[in-house]
Amino acid sequence: QQQVKQSPQSLIVQKGGISIINCAYENTAFDYFPWYQQFPGKGPALLIAIRPDVSEKKEGRFTISFNKSAKQFSLHIMDSQPGDSATYFCAAATGANNLFFGTGTRLTVIP
Amino acid sequence: DAGVIQSPRHEVTEMGQEVTLRCKPISGHNSLFWYRQTMMRGLELLIYFNNNVPIDDSGMPEDRFSAKMPNASFSTLKIQPSEPRDSAVYFCASSLNRAGETQYFGPGTRLLVL
Repeated sequence: QQQVKQSPQSLIVQKGGISIINCAYENTAFDYFPWYQQFPGKGPALLIAIRPDVSEKKEGRFTISFNKSAKQFSLHIMDSQPGDSATYFCAAATGANNLFFGTGTRLTVIP
Repeated sequence: DAGVIQSPRHEVTEMGQEVTLRCKPISGHNSLFWYRQTMMRGLELLIYFNNNVPIDDSGMPEDRFSAKMPNASFSTLKIQPSEPRDSAVYFCASSLNRAGETQYFGPGTRLLVL
């Protein structure tokens, strides 16, 4: 059973556009929601993370929006660049326990 | 710090052979995770250790898979005997065992079982 559901599976965005990736979860005990970025041939790397006590977190062009009541969170990439082309994974965890990853979204930003 | 180190980076073997993947976590980290990544199943947690002790191995697919962490700076994932369906990229990650701590992933081992 997939603890974290992620969509879309793939996304193509024009340079300068906004990329939006969505995730949903069921376990209300989750209290840590990171996003990981993975380039081909590399391991995933933490991009940005949020806790449920805030509804939004922004770091540069990357923003997480969090809706606790809907049990959903999303990643927004503003002014998307070709260098952002990668696979993005959302994840969730309870305390210091292991992360449950979404299935990934392959983002392609075309010039 | 050199980050999480995995070896080998690539492994090609024949069905039935034993495969051993190695991981050196980041110094000072006390949690270590083994993941498997495939196109079909995405990123799957196989097993994780806290302070060298296996905490959850429910993701280990079958008895052919085993993992050990004899000390804080070394872990192995062994597949014996290997099968073609084991072909995947295997990642090791480490973190501090505290809520919200980032998991740092190694570069992965790309395994191909013929």
